[in-house]
Amino acid sequence: AQSVSQHNHHVILSEAASLELGCNYSYGGTVNLFWYVQYPGQHLQLLLKYFSGDPLVKGIKGFEAEFIKSKFSFNLRKPSVQWSDTAEYFCAVIENNNDMRFGAGTRLTVKP
Amino acid sequence: DTGVSQDPRHKITKRGQNVTFRCDPISEHNRLYWYRQTLGQGPEFLTYFQNEAQLEKSRLLSDRFSAERPKGSFSTLEIQRTEQGDSAMYLCASSETSAVHVFGPGTRLTVT
Repeated sequence: AQSVSQHNHHVILSEAASLELGCNYSYGGTVNLFWYVQYPGQHLQLLLKYFSGDPLVKGIKGFEAEFIKSKFSFNLRKPSVQWSDTAEYFCAVIENNNDMRFGAGTRLTVKP
Repeated sequence: DTGVSQDPRHKITKRGQNVTFRCDPISEHNRLYWYRQTLGQGPEFLTYFQNEAQLEKSRLLSDRFSAERPKGSFSTLEIQRTEQGDSAMYLCASSETSAVHVFGPGTRLTVT
């Protein structure tokens, strides 16, 4: 079945540590890729998106993601996390302009 | 217009009752989506509208669920004869044709 997989359910890091959250998808058509973040008590917000062009995309708050087509991956990275990055992170895919499919999410806890 | 709004934010109902939720999208967005999110999972697509036309419905949307967007502006999602399994967060999102979803805060439904 077509799906979006996020490998880590819960990640715990100390401030200033580097972050990489994995995301793989199984769709074979033209894809648009997204990372959304949900801070505690807030609604989903767009972190970054990939539609075409440079596979390394930069988003808000120092986040970036790399689209590797051959690996069907769109991993999220940040060189140095802050306590305020504590949130839930969702990878999402739109294939062929259809509806958006989400991964199960990764909860990030950053210890001060 | 500061974003997508949803009403109510919380709803507690008894099993068997009907409930209706409202979503007001960003005014210039022609697409409107409904998603359902349960604990520990990413949002799951339910249905979407382009203007007033309902273009796609998920298999998750049983006969007890109905959605409308009568004038291509706000939308309602009705659940008839609620069941405990309907307890979830119901999310609305809107977008232009760029496909970037802007999410509302959600309506948390608890069926007792």
